[in-house]
Amino acid sequence: EVQLVESGGGLVQPGGSLRLSCAASGFTFSSYDMHWVRQATGKGLEWVSAIGTAGDTYYPGSVKGRFTISRENAKNSLYLQMNSLRAGDTAVYYCARGGPLSWFDPWGQGTLVTVSS
Amino acid sequence: EIVMTQSPATLSVSPGERATLSCRASQSVSSNLAWYQQKPGQAPRLLIYGASTRATGIPARFSGSGSGTEFTLTISSLQSEDFAVYYCQQYNNWPPLLTFGGGTKVEIK
Repeated sequence: EVQLVESGGGLVQPGGSLRLSCAASGFTFSSYDMHWVRQATGKGLEWVSAIGTAGDTYYPGSVKGRFTISRENAKNSLYLQMNSLRAGDTAVYYCARGGPLSWFDPWGQGTLVTVSS
Repeated sequence: EIVMTQSPATLSVSPGERATLSCRASQSVSSNLAWYQQKPGQAPRLLIYGASTRATGIPARFSGSGSGTEFTLTISSLQSEDFAVYYCQQYNNWPPLLTFGGGTKVEIK
């Protein structure tokens, strides 16, 4: 069974940093693009970052320069380093496996990040 | 950036009835469109990719259609477990950007 399990969320002050992790199992992790998608409470979905099988990375303008996605294939793990956090970054962060053309399937259960003083 | 617009924001439907959800792209995305279902407290689940291909395990009552800028998700006969929020997502200009619509909530009438 394909499974993605996020961890590392919590409460952080504005301007602070946090590192999220996603543990993957049930598939050949190194063969898939991987993504982070977030959702503020009561709001829609926002794609946050992606990393390809060759380590190429992509970000939308809202997080570029502040967030860094990485992967460790030997540990079947995905990471998201988040720096200079703002209140607007408060959300549930999901990791998701990329489909061949970058749809998302499946998704993890999510981890909550709260940025507040 | 391609903007995805979903309508209506909320759809009230009786169990057993048909539900038709719309997704419009600000420019052509060809057939590079996916649909997701999200129930309260749960992660989204892939329903449709390639505008019309059902994902593994998705019931046949879910169907997708459209291409270019206009897309439709149809649920032929709503079951109790189908009341949820539905999102569309384009992946035509990948890389570097992926964008979602704002969602349609399907509620019990």
